[in-house]
Order: sequence, then structure tokens, then C-alpha cells
Amino acid sequence: GAVVSQHPSRVICKSGTSVKIECRSLDFQATTMFWYRQFPKKSLMLMATSNEGSKATYEQGVEKDKFLINHASLTLSTLTVTSAHPEDSSFYICSATGTGGYGYTFGSGTRLTVV
Amino acid sequence: GENVEQHPSTLSVQEGDSAVIKCTYSDSASNYFPWYKQELGKRPQLIIDIRSNVGEKKDQRIAVTLNKTAKHFSLHITETQPEDSAVYFCAASKDSGAGSYQLTFGKGTKLSVIP
Repeated sequence: GAVVSQHPSRVICKSGTSVKIECRSLDFQATTMFWYRQFPKKSLMLMATSNEGSKATYEQGVEKDKFLINHASLTLSTLTVTSAHPEDSSFYICSATGTGGYGYTFGSGTRLTVV
Repeated sequence: GENVEQHPSTLSVQEGDSAVIKCTYSDSASNYFPWYKQELGKRPQLIIDIRSNVGEKKDQRIAVTLNKTAKHFSLHITETQPEDSAVYFCAASKDSGAGSYQLTFGKGTKLSVIP
């Protein structure tokens, strides 16, 4: 079945630094990738939608200059949290869909802690 | 946009009993309704889904029903087991048909199965 690999699984960074999270589709071409943020005991909140080769579409309230999303190929999307602050600490999950009948597949998530 | 309401937020059942989680959606154009199970700190896992041309779907102990007129769908788990304990999310989307669609999630239901 479709597999999406996300890493790192956990990252601790200092306030003010940037962190990059990668999401790869291993066995299908991900035409669209979604990035979610999940707070403890809360639902998944969509941050942005990215289509390969074009700019990401951000949800209302999500700062595009802070959460940089790149989807340069059909198998890789990255989320960079720039100038991270403790309030950015959260669980970030990507998911991908593709053509050819591949469904909606989640990555394993990244636990970001900003200290 | 789409709005998905999910109830209850928490549910405790005795092992062997049934559990029912209900969701409503607002966009009558939505036609794809998946259910996800998420264990603590892990990715959501698709457990069952239903499309709008079907009223009910069953997979062993899990079933989903859909009422398009009322715009609600439900997850039914029979003969619950302790390993069913997790957070369950419903979601809704308009399947573009090309494999790329954006899901709107409910807030989740924490199911606890008491041995």
C-alpha cells in the first residue's frame, strides 16, 4: 500500500532557530501534500495544502512566512518552521494523496519541542 | 467551507459492549467520509471509509452508516476490546476524483474500553 515517510520523528530546538521537517511518499507520486498541526488531545488542524511545483495554499491564521512549505517534487514536501518559539511546540503531521487511486496517507508525525 | 461536528468527545464502554460515534457535516457536496483511529503519539490510521453512493459499510466488528439527507454518519464498533481504546476521528471531503482531496476532521472521540 501507499507509504509516507516523515522525519524527524522528534526534534528539540532552541528558540529562534529553524527546523525542517520532511515528508516523502515512498511508493507513489504525491500530487498533493497536506500539513497538519495537532495540539495535545485535539483534532488535526490543516495548516496548508501544497501541490507539486506550485506555491502552497495556507489556511487562515497560518503565517506563511513562518511555516515555509516546499513541494518541489512528486515525492517530497518539506515544512520549515522558521524562528521557532515555544508556542510552536506541537505535533506536525503530513499526509499525501496521488493520482491512480492512491488514497490519503499520513506520515508518522514529528513532535517538535522548542525550548 | 465544510464543518464537521463529532460526538461524544469521550466514551467509556465495558469490554464486549458496542460503541457508537456520530458525526454531522455541513457541505452537501461532500462525498467521502473516512474514519481514523489514532493512538497516542502516532499517526492516524484509516479504519473504514464510505462514499456517498453507499448507505452502510461493514468490516468485521466495524461498520459505518451514512445518511446523506440528514448529513450525518456514524461509526459502530461491536464487541469492543481493550485494544480498541484510542481517539477516533471522522472526516469529510469532496473527492475530486483525481485522488487529491482535502479532509475536514471532527474534533475526535476518546474511546476507553474497560476490561
